[in-house]
Amino acid sequence: DAKTTQPPSMDCAEGRAANLPCNHSTISGNEYVYWYRQIHSQGPQYIIHGLKNNETNEMASLIITEDRKSSTLILPHATLRDTAVYYCIVKGNAGKSTFGDGTTLTVKP
Amino acid sequence: ETGVTQTPRHLVMGMTNKKSLKCEQHLGHNAMYWYKQSAKKPLELMFVYSLEERVENNSVPSRFSPECPNSSHLFLHLHTLQPEDSALYLCASSQLGQIYNEQFFGPGTRLTVL
Repeated sequence: DAKTTQPPSMDCAEGRAANLPCNHSTISGNEYVYWYRQIHSQGPQYIIHGLKNNETNEMASLIITEDRKSSTLILPHATLRDTAVYYCIVKGNAGKSTFGDGTTLTVKP
Repeated sequence: ETGVTQTPRHLVMGMTNKKSLKCEQHLGHNAMYWYKQSAKKPLELMFVYSLEERVENNSVPSRFSPECPNSSHLFLHLHTLQPEDSALYLCASSQLGQIYNEQFFGPGTRLTVL
């Protein structure tokens, strides 16, 4: 599975959009981009995934660049409850996920 | 019950004890996973079961023994653990055979080995 690079931490003001970047320059054609988040001491929670088109669901939007070498997770109106570690994972159809250090997002009032 | 459940949520055990962690998924998935998360470290994959067969064992010490009696249940049997085994143990499930397969995680068992 392709390796990903994320900034270790980010801050965001409550009510503003949080944009979390991820680099995955070695992604291959059949690999999807998945995002999960982990709120302190809980199990990771699936957020969204995509292949090459931008995706949106009730939680977030995922923007994937045309060359697929990077992506951005967007939380449109961040709340204090969105404070968590966000993981960007790239994988094929194997079930397992390889987690890195992720980005610690802190939403501030 | 919905999703993935884990019991117990917290466990304290001595190094000579034998205990088991239980995971149950109510999603009809065909694959289950055990992960370990030590303090300030990324999640580490321990075991993967696909259709009740173990398909991956990531060099996990034999004091951790997994069991998957059916597609809905996964156990992690613990014996003669060390204090450094204290961690959050997470179970997950997914549906293999699809083009994409997000994992669904349980809440975890916080294990403390004295």
